[in-house]
Amino acid sequence: EVQLVESGGGLVQPGGSLRLSCSASGFTFSTYAIHWVRQAPGKGLEYVSAISSNAGSTYYADSVKGRFTISRDNSKSTLYLQMSSLRAEDTAVYYCVKGRSSVFDAFDIWGQGTLVTVSS
Amino acid sequence: SYELTQPPSVSVSPGQTASITCSGDKLGDKYVCWYQQKPGQSPLTVMYQDSKRPSGIPERFSGSNSGNTATLTISGTQAMDEADYYCQAWDSNTAIFGGGTKLTVL
Repeated sequence: EVQLVESGGGLVQPGGSLRLSCSASGFTFSTYAIHWVRQAPGKGLEYVSAISSNAGSTYYADSVKGRFTISRDNSKSTLYLQMSSLRAEDTAVYYCVKGRSSVFDAFDIWGQGTLVTVSS
Repeated sequence: SYELTQPPSVSVSPGQTASITCSGDKLGDKYVCWYQQKPGQSPLTVMYQDSKRPSGIPERFSGSNSGNTATLTISGTQAMDEADYYCQAWDSNTAIFGGGTKLTVL
């Protein structure tokens, strides 16, 4: 069974940093692009970032560019999102999402999400 | 920047056909995906590449995309289909989501 399990969410002060992790199982992690998508409380879905299967290419939404860094460790089947200079508007559930194949293909399997709250 | 527009809500009677639209400039030139999200749950992919159903998605779900509009159609709608539905396409290396449509089955 394909599974994505996010962790690392929590309460952080504005301007602070946090690192999210996503542990994958049930598929060959190293052959798929993986994404982060977030959802603010009561709001819709918002794309955050993507990374190609070999980590050779990364992509970011304008709203997080320069503040967030996506990375992956294929030997550990784990995806990361390093978030810095956090703002109140970054408060959301962050989903790790497996792509069907390449970066610009459909989102396939979604994790359960981890909540990040930015507040003083 | 590219935008996808969905109606905020759609209502349908059980057993009838529900159609949820997603509009964007020359959307027919892009692949559209659809995601279903029930309260308190993660999204679920119900359609990709305009009209392809992932394994496990019922045949009553179908999709189309032409011109400026993509449509997700649910035939014989069931109470379990009540959820928020989001369309999505790629533009300029960015995944664009529609604002979501709340489907009410009543």
